[in-house]
Amino acid sequence: GNSVTQMEGPVTLSEEAFLTINCTYTATGYPSLFWYVQYPGEGLQLLLKATKADDKGSNKGFEATYRKETTSFHLEKGSVQVSDSAVYFCALTDIQGAQKLVFGQGTRLTINP
Amino acid sequence: DTEVTQTPKHLVMGMTNKKSLKCEQHMGHRAMYWYKQKAKKPPELMFVYSYEKLSINESVPSRFSPECPNSSLLNLHLHALQPEDSALYLCASSRGGTDPRNEQFFGPGTRLTVL
Repeated sequence: GNSVTQMEGPVTLSEEAFLTINCTYTATGYPSLFWYVQYPGEGLQLLLKATKADDKGSNKGFEATYRKETTSFHLEKGSVQVSDSAVYFCALTDIQGAQKLVFGQGTRLTINP
Repeated sequence: DTEVTQTPKHLVMGMTNKKSLKCEQHMGHRAMYWYKQKAKKPPELMFVYSYEKLSINESVPSRFSPECPNSSLLNLHLHALQPEDSALYLCASSRGGTDPRNEQFFGPGTRLTVL
């Protein structure tokens, strides 16, 4: 079956540090890949997505590239801010279960001033 | 309008109460979802409505009863809940159909506490 594995958190960084949150996946078909962010006390917001190999999704300074050869979709940001503190979820859907989002366990990120 | 709205924001209920959660979207989406999220966990899918018909029920106990009155509205009726049902209940919507590229848009959630 399909699955998503994220790096274990929590992750704590200083403001302006470089961020990488690792995400790898297992899927039987050709999945679409997503990063969602959840700020404290809120629902999930779509941060970025990529729907085919070598696509790069980007938004608000965050980027992730769909790497089919390594089955990865790592999230990166060059310079984090305190306001980026949140929980980040990597997720996938594929044609076998297009209405089912398969989530990773989530990575809690804290940015200190 | 790119929002999914949910009411109420918070709900406290006893184990014998009947209550309902409401969700609304005006994006013209034809698929709507209910998720349950426990603390420090990812959301777990409960139900999916596609073109106003229930398409997925993830073996959810019958004390949770979904309803989709029209393509913009989704309800979750609650009855005889247990304290372990306390969680954040999230609604989401997407364009519908079987295209895996369709992203889901989430509402802010209802924080449910069962006493």
